[in-house]
Amino acid sequence: DAKTTQPNSMESNEEEPVHLPCNHSTISGTDYIHWYRQLPSQGPEYVIHGLTSNVNNRMASLAIAEDRKSSTLILHRATLRDAAVYYCILMRYGGATNKLIFGTGTLLAVQP
Amino acid sequence: DAGVTQSPTHLIKTRGQQVTLRCSPKSGHDTVSWYQQALGQGPQFIFQYYEEEERQRGNFPDRFSGHQFPNYSSELNVNALLLGDSALYLCASSRRSTGELFFGEGSRLTVL
Repeated sequence: DAKTTQPNSMESNEEEPVHLPCNHSTISGTDYIHWYRQLPSQGPEYVIHGLTSNVNNRMASLAIAEDRKSSTLILHRATLRDAAVYYCILMRYGGATNKLIFGTGTLLAVQP
Repeated sequence: DAGVTQSPTHLIKTRGQQVTLRCSPKSGHDTVSWYQQALGQGPQFIFQYYEEEERQRGNFPDRFSGHQFPNYSSELNVNALLLGDSALYLCASSRRSTGELFFGEGSRLTVL
């Protein structure tokens, strides 16, 4: 399974944009990039995923490098509720399983 | 629409005992996966159940076993508990073994 690398922690101020980086230099052509987050005392929740093109949804945007070896999760205006651990995970398209391989993620602190 | 529900939310056991954790999947989902999350770590995949059979297993000993019932609910059993089994146990459900995962809030197990 291809591995991802994320910073251990990041800080942001409320209502400012946040860019969470992820490196995945061994990504294969059929790997989707998924982001999950885990709020305190809760299970992980899906944020967004993409393959090659940048993606937007109501929660966030995902910017994928042209060579796909890195990606960035963008929260456009951080709120206190966005304080969580963010996980970047690769999942093979067309694979027989949706098993997720979590790393240690990035702990995002949001200051008021 | 109820999401994934787990019980109990917290429990305390002693070494050598056995524990059973329960999970009800989100409505419309037929696949259940179990994850173990130690403090400060990302969740680790234990196994996945689909059509009442274990379909995939992570690197966990045989002391960890499970079951899926005809109504798609699932149980995780851990025998001969060790101190190292203390963790948050997360259940995730999906539609088929390749659909998006939805997590419950977990069962916090403490082994003394």
